[in-house]
Amino acid sequence: GQSLEQPSEVTAVEGAIVQMNCTYQTSGFYGLSWYQQHDGGAPTFLSYNALDGLEETGRFSSFLSRSDSYGYLLLQELQMKDSASYFCAVITTDTDKLIFGTGTRLQVFP
Amino acid sequence: ETGVTQTPRHLVMGMTNKKSLKCEQHLGHNAMYWYKQSAKKPLELMFVYNFKEQTENNSVPSRFSPECPNSSHLFLHLHTLQPEDSALYLCASSQEAGPYEQYFGPGTRLTVT
Repeated sequence: GQSLEQPSEVTAVEGAIVQMNCTYQTSGFYGLSWYQQHDGGAPTFLSYNALDGLEETGRFSSFLSRSDSYGYLLLQELQMKDSASYFCAVITTDTDKLIFGTGTRLQVFP
Repeated sequence: ETGVTQTPRHLVMGMTNKKSLKCEQHLGHNAMYWYKQSAKKPLELMFVYNFKEQTENNSVPSRFSPECPNSSHLFLHLHTLQPEDSALYLCASSQEAGPYEQYFGPGTRLTVT
């Protein structure tokens, strides 16, 4: 079977850096995506990693280690608007669909 | 209109009603998806359409019936639902070659009474 694990909640203050982890178990693996969802909103695509290493897009970075079946999303210079849920999702080699984790709820405080 | 739109945004229906959810994407994508999102649970994939052909039915009960008349429109027909079907139903689209990057609509908040 396939499973993804994410911490349920993370809190941080404005201006800080926060890392949200994702570990996965799959029968095959193509890559790892990250999505952001604000309360009442639609999930929005943030990043995709197919290869090991760090991908940076502005304040957001995503990391993947295929050998450890592990990835994380790093947010720098946190802002209040970053308060949202963050989901990791994998694509496996035996399907072409996304399998989502349960998400990490990030709360940013002033 | 841009992106992915869904109507209605909110729906309350009785267990004996029949209703339909509509999704439209204006992105030129070839793949469309229905997801169910319930509290404290991961997004659950329900159906996948690639080039109007259904390629995935994730063991969804027959009271949910999808329809994809063309690559821009997707419907979810609902009948004799159960209260546990109350959830946020999200539509998404992607390029066929890039299912890792999906564009979601705002969802329909469904309440079954």
